[in-house]
Amino acid sequence: TQLLEQSPQFLSIQEGENLTVYCNSSSVFSSLQWYRQEPGEGPVLLVTVVTGGEVKKLKRLTFQFGDARKDSSLHITAAQPGDTGLYLCAGEGDSSASKIIFGSGTRLSIRP
Amino acid sequence: ETGVTQTPRHLVMGMTNKKSLKCEQHLGHNAMYWYKQSAKKPLELMFVYSLEERVENNSVPSRFSPECPNSSHLFLHLHTLQPEDSALYLCASSPGENYGYTFGSGTRLTVV
Repeated sequence: TQLLEQSPQFLSIQEGENLTVYCNSSSVFSSLQWYRQEPGEGPVLLVTVVTGGEVKKLKRLTFQFGDARKDSSLHITAAQPGDTGLYLCAGEGDSSASKIIFGSGTRLSIRP
Repeated sequence: ETGVTQTPRHLVMGMTNKKSLKCEQHLGHNAMYWYKQSAKKPLELMFVYSLEERVENNSVPSRFSPECPNSSHLFLHLHTLQPEDSALYLCASSPGENYGYTFGSGTRLTVV
C-alpha cells in the first residue's frame, strides 16, 4: 500500500518568516502534485512535478521533487497571511490516473 | 469558479432519506472522480470514471451509488446513510495522467 506522509501536520508562524513542508513516501511516483485548500472549498492545484530532482517556482513558493521521486518539499519565502491554508501533496503511482493518493496535509497558519 | 461545479454546497439529510449530489465540468476532461474528505483523514478516493466508464470502486458501501451519464456530468446517489458518512464530498476532473485534478468546491454533507 502506497502512503504519503506529510510533515509537519500543523505549522503556525509569523508573517515574513520562511518555512518548508515535506511529503515523504517509500514508494516511487511518476508525478507529484501540491494543492492548497481553504476552508469550505476544494483543493486547488499549485504545481505538478514529474522529473526526479525537478525544481519549480511559483512566486514565493518553491517545489522540489526528490531525485528518487519518492519525496517532495514545498518552501515558502516571506510567508504572508494569504498563504494560510491546508497544503496537500498527491502522488501518481503508475500509468493509471486512478492511482493518485493524497497525504493527510499540513495546516499552515500565518500570523500577521 | 474552478470549472467544476458541485451542487448542493450543503446538505443535511436523515438516515432514511434519498438524495443526490451533482457535479458538472465543461473543461473537456476525460476522467471524473468522487472523493470523501473527513476530518483528520487523507482524501479518500471513492469512484473513478474514465470516458464515462467506471474504472475504480474503492470498496465503497452500496449506500453510495455513482452515475456518469456523459463526460460532463457525474452524480453520487445517496440512500440510508449513516452519521459517520458526514463529510465533505469532492468531485474532481482530470484531462489525463500527470496533469493533476481540478476540484469542485464540494458538498458538505451532514447525516442526522
